[in-house]
Order: sequence, then structure tokens, then C-alpha cells
Amino acid sequence: AQSVTQLGSHVSVSEGALVLLRCNYSSSVPPYLFWYVQYPNQGLQLLLKYTSAATLVKGINGFEAEFKKSETSFHLTKPSAHMSDAAEYFCAVSVTGNQFYFGTGTSLTVIP
Amino acid sequence: KAGVTQTPRYLIKTRGQQVTLSCSPISGHRSVSWYQQTPGQGLQFLFEYFSETQRNKGNFPGRFSGRQFSNSRSEMNVSTLELGDSALYLCASSSLGGSSTDTQYFGPGTRLTVL
Repeated sequence: AQSVTQLGSHVSVSEGALVLLRCNYSSSVPPYLFWYVQYPNQGLQLLLKYTSAATLVKGINGFEAEFKKSETSFHLTKPSAHMSDAAEYFCAVSVTGNQFYFGTGTSLTVIP
Repeated sequence: KAGVTQTPRYLIKTRGQQVTLSCSPISGHRSVSWYQQTPGQGLQFLFEYFSETQRNKGNFPGRFSGRQFSNSRSEMNVSTLELGDSALYLCASSSLGGSSTDTQYFGPGTRLTVL
């Protein structure tokens, strides 16, 4: 069975500080992993995805994530937080047939 | 290309009623998935349709059903509404519809409130 765990339902960082959002997965098959962002009253927008190519994946808005098989992790990072990064972030693992399993989300607050 | 559209955006119903939500995928996309998002449970997979056939189903009661039309538009129906059905219902579409590497593109959601 596949599942995703996001550690920390709320993360606060100062503007300009490093953003680190944690995601660990469980999968019986090689996983495909995704990070999505959700702004208030909007749907989810893809930030980046890992599909077994490079383990370091670069996404939009300066975000990147590194796939670490030994740690079953896919943490999301951004070197310098911006006020516009405040949103809900979801990690997801996909299995065949487009069935996605999402984590419970991490709400990011950026403090000016 | 226009994105995924969902109608209506907001809906208020009372217990026992039924509701139908609509989703129009991105042009050319054949796979449509539905999710329920609540503060307590997060995002939960309802079902996925591909070429008018339900291909995957999540762990929801039979009151939740869906269908897909030949133009890939999809509807989901919830009968005998319960208070716990209050949620944001998200629709997502993808192009290839068969690969686990597909990207799902989400609509803005329909906010359902059951009173």
C-alpha cells in the first residue's frame, strides 16, 4: 500500500529564511512523487514531480526537492522564503492508473 | 488552453438531499479524478474515470457515484447528503491517463456545505 506522511502540519519561517517541508512515503513499488501547492480558495497547483530521473528535482517558484530512497523521503526546500509562498503544501505519491495518495498537508506561514 | 473548470463553485444543501457536481477537464485530457478535501481527513481519492469507464475507486460509500461523458466531462453525484459530506470537492484531469508519472491538473473545486 502507498501512503505519505508530512511532518508538521504548520511551519513558520521568516521572510528570506530557508523553507523545509518534510515528506516521507511508503510504497511497495518504485514511487512517483509530487509536491502541490494550494492557495486559499483555489485548487492544487503542481510545484514539481519526481519520476525516477534525477533525484534532485527543480520546480516552479524556486522550489526543489530531493528524492532519497534510503530515507524514503522527498522533502521540499526553498533557499529564501517570500511572502507569496504562504500557502498549503501537499506531498503525493502516485500509483498506476492515476490514483494519487496525498499527505495531510503543511500550512506554511511566512513572517515579515 | 483553458484549465480544469468546476461548477458550481459553491453549493448549500440540506441533509437528505442529493447533489451533482460537474467537471470539465483540460481539452484533450481523458482522465478525470475526484477528491474530497476536508480539514480533518485532508485529500481523499473518490474515483477516477478514463474514457467513460471508472478505473479506480476510493473507499467511499455507494452514496458517492460518478460518470464520464464521451467528451470527457465528468459529474459526481452524492445522494442522501450527510453533514459530514461538507467539503471541498476537487476534480483533476490528466492527459495520458495511464501512467503513474502523469501530472494531474486540478480545478478550483466546489465548496459543498450541508446544513
